[in-house]
Amino acid sequence: DADVTQTPRNRITKTGKRIMLECSQTKGHDRMYWYRQDPGLGLRLIYYSFDVKDINKGEISDGYSVSRQAQAKFSLSLESAIPNQTALYFCATSDSRTGTYEQYFGPGTRLTVT
Amino acid sequence: ILNVEQSPQSLHVQEGDSTNFTCSFPSSNFYALHWYRWETAKSPEALFVMTLNGDEKKKGRISATLNTKEGYSYLYIKGSQPEDSATYLCATTQGGSEKLVFGKGTKLTVNP
Repeated sequence: DADVTQTPRNRITKTGKRIMLECSQTKGHDRMYWYRQDPGLGLRLIYYSFDVKDINKGEISDGYSVSRQAQAKFSLSLESAIPNQTALYFCATSDSRTGTYEQYFGPGTRLTVT
Repeated sequence: ILNVEQSPQSLHVQEGDSTNFTCSFPSSNFYALHWYRWETAKSPEALFVMTLNGDEKKKGRISATLNTKEGYSYLYIKGSQPEDSATYLCATTQGGSEKLVFGKGTKLTVNP
């Protein structure tokens, strides 16, 4: 079983709809992250959470919100989806105890906003 | 904003060729350099984490070196195979931050 899972894996939605992407992990890691990947732009950080009560904006947080429901769950919401939010979204985790900040990625959610 | 540059953007080699590519980053306040391998339709997978100047890491035919004084890392693949085809991402963390800043990646295609 995958250690970091994302649901849904693919989603097509219309402009203006609210959508939630979910991430769960069984690694016992305290840190969780949401990234988006656009062709030619690399991975960009949307939000990150160091623990359940510590949530921080990343590089491109506008138009997104997050919720850390438990140590193992971190959800990303698009309050009112727009076409330029069409992208591949990755969730990742890391363990602060290692000191290396190595991150482990989920399989990704491909989101299309029409 | 921290800027991580990777070159080349893409690379086509023949099976059996050895190849290498570069990751450049600001040397000030450096903490760690990460290399990830990202195959199409899969998750990015960690290859190496390096922190010390002069570090060298190896995993099978893939190896990496780190120069923190001049701000670069090389990734080498010896005797490339078609299964090495992937995008190779590097990322750095700076002192005091746990956030990874990623480069745009080098897309490697190995032709049989």
